[in-house]
Amino acid sequence: GQQLNQSPQSMFIQEGEDVSMNCTSSSIFNTWLWYKQEPGEGPVLLIALYKAGELTSNGRLTAQFGITRKDSFLNISASIPSDVGIYFCAGRYNYQLTFGKGTKLSVIP
Amino acid sequence: DTGVSQDPRHKITKRGQNVTFRCDPISEHNHLYWYRQTLGQGPEFLTYFQNEAQLEKSRLLSDRFSAERPKGSFSTLEIQRTEQGDSAMYLCASSGGPADTQYFGPGTRLTVL
Repeated sequence: GQQLNQSPQSMFIQEGEDVSMNCTSSSIFNTWLWYKQEPGEGPVLLIALYKAGELTSNGRLTAQFGITRKDSFLNISASIPSDVGIYFCAGRYNYQLTFGKGTKLSVIP
Repeated sequence: DTGVSQDPRHKITKRGQNVTFRCDPISEHNHLYWYRQTLGQGPEFLTYFQNEAQLEKSRLLSDRFSAERPKGSFSTLEIQRTEQGDSAMYLCASSGGPADTQYFGPGTRLTVL
């Protein structure tokens, strides 16, 4: 089946630093999404990407849908303590989402 | 709040017992999904409803699992004869269309002792 490779698995950064994480797939997706999950809660949508090559921003977050439709990245600029959490990429083919294993972000004040 | 809601938020049960979870999707969302998430993993797809019709079931959904959406609104997920391996977060999501963004509920954390 489809698998997503998300990296890095975890990151420790200083407040104010920029963060970059990415996802690669062995299969093509129609849509790439990035979610953030905090302990005990469900994933919350951050950014949705619908076209190959698309670059989309949401505040300090920027994400891109790879040209090959098999990868995506998420950048967070000027990190703040509330950015702490687990970030998941997800690829959508038809209605089904396939998730990566997540990137756990820790921000040191 | 008009988001996806799930009940209960936490459930502790003994092995062999049956449990049922409920999901209320965003109003007017015809498409509803169940996912399971174990520790350190991303959510994994379990099943998909369009209105009241269950259109897809993952191989992860063993015979002990059954999901319903009788009136095309809320959905229930039942696990019979629970096993310790069923311990996980069960997440529900809904969308306005099959290609639309899926919005997740807060999940039900199941612990099987």
